[in-house]
Amino acid sequence: RKEVEQDPGPFNVPEGATVAFNCTYSNSASQSFFWYRQDCRKEPKLLMSVYSSGNEDGRFTAQLNRASQYISLLIRDSKLSDSATYLCVVNRDDKIIFGKGTRLHILP
Amino acid sequence: DTEVTQTPKHLVMGMTNKKSLKCEQHMGHRAMYWYKQKAKKPPELMFVYSYEKLSINESVPSRFSPECPNSSLLNLHLHALQPEDSALYLCASSQPLGGAGNQPQHFGDGTRLSIL
Repeated sequence: RKEVEQDPGPFNVPEGATVAFNCTYSNSASQSFFWYRQDCRKEPKLLMSVYSSGNEDGRFTAQLNRASQYISLLIRDSKLSDSATYLCVVNRDDKIIFGKGTRLHILP
Repeated sequence: DTEVTQTPKHLVMGMTNKKSLKCEQHMGHRAMYWYKQKAKKPPELMFVYSYEKLSINESVPSRFSPECPNSSLLNLHLHALQPEDSALYLCASSQPLGGAGNQPQHFGDGTRLSIL
């Protein structure tokens, strides 16, 4: 079992819809959690850090459930420019563990 | 614009060449990383430097040799690479990991390497 697992995707979603990404991690000693987005042939860019209290940034909401070892990202009112791969990233001690990513296509 | 700068953006080299990839950051971060990324795969960690000392080597072949001359610079020296080493090489920086702090990494835009 991979230490960080994400929905395999791809997700094909009409513009304006709400999209939910799920991520689970297996090591309870994991310390910090992030969502990155990566556009084709570009570097990963930090989208949001994820906190147990939940955090929101405009149309994006991230949530962490430590008891279930589960991280989520919600995108409301999706835009064409949201099309990208979304990577779940977990830090533990000196390790950074990437999920395999979920590709999102927003359809006009 | 990225705050982590990588050069060159593209590199084509033969299997007998020696070349170096360079990375620079001025965010005051004391941890720097090299990743390799193949198409449609997540980045794979290669090396981590923490306070200018190599802290993680993920069993990377010796044809890749990292160097951290100071807290702002990170190099990756390449020698006798194989065609399967063709990939996007990403540099990242952060405050050092370990401990309870939230330490996201900031990535450079990568060097696209092709081995002929």
